[in-house]
Amino acid sequence: GAVVSQHPSRVICKSGTSVKIECRSLDFQATTMFWYRQFPKKSLMLMATSNEGSKATYEQGVEKDKFLINHASLTLSTLTVTSAHPEDSSFYICSARDQTSGLYNEQFFGPGTRLTVL
Amino acid sequence: AQSVTQLDSHVSVSEGTPVLLRCNYSSSYSPSLFWYVQHPNKGLQLLLKYTSAATLVKGINGFEAEFKKSETSFHLTKPSAHMSDAAEYFCVGGSQGNLIFGKGTKLSVKP
Repeated sequence: GAVVSQHPSRVICKSGTSVKIECRSLDFQATTMFWYRQFPKKSLMLMATSNEGSKATYEQGVEKDKFLINHASLTLSTLTVTSAHPEDSSFYICSARDQTSGLYNEQFFGPGTRLTVL
Repeated sequence: AQSVTQLDSHVSVSEGTPVLLRCNYSSSYSPSLFWYVQHPNKGLQLLLKYTSAATLVKGINGFEAEFKKSETSFHLTKPSAHMSDAAEYFCVGGSQGNLIFGKGTKLSVKP
């Protein structure tokens, strides 16, 4: 089946530093990847939609200069949290859509990255 | 616009008893519907999906869901709960390439 990996699984950083999270589709090509944020005991909130080779589309209220997204290949998207602050601490989950899948809406989810900003 | 409503934020059952997690949807289109499970500090695992091929959908770990258009429902059931089923469950709708998440239902299983 379609597998999506994320790296790192957890990261602790100091306030003011930047953190990069990688999302990879391991056995399929993903023209579209999605980045979600999940607060404790809450549902997933879509942050942005990333299309390979083009700029990401951010949801309302998400700062594009704060959360930099790059989707340079069909198997890799990265999310960089710039100048991280404690309020950025969260669980970040990526997903990818298989371009060959007949089920247009299905997304495959990564295992998530726990970010803690001190 | 599409929306997904999970009717219960928390469901508690005893081990060995049936599980029912309720979900209603609204959509202007024929929806794709999914149930995902999330264990603590883990990503989402797909339990099952509805793609209009069959109204009764069987998933992994003994779960199944029935799509009822007349009731706009897609409730998740399991005949007998296991301790390992304790987790957060999300009903998710798909429309035009995007996913719409329900708020989640926390399932607790008592021994």
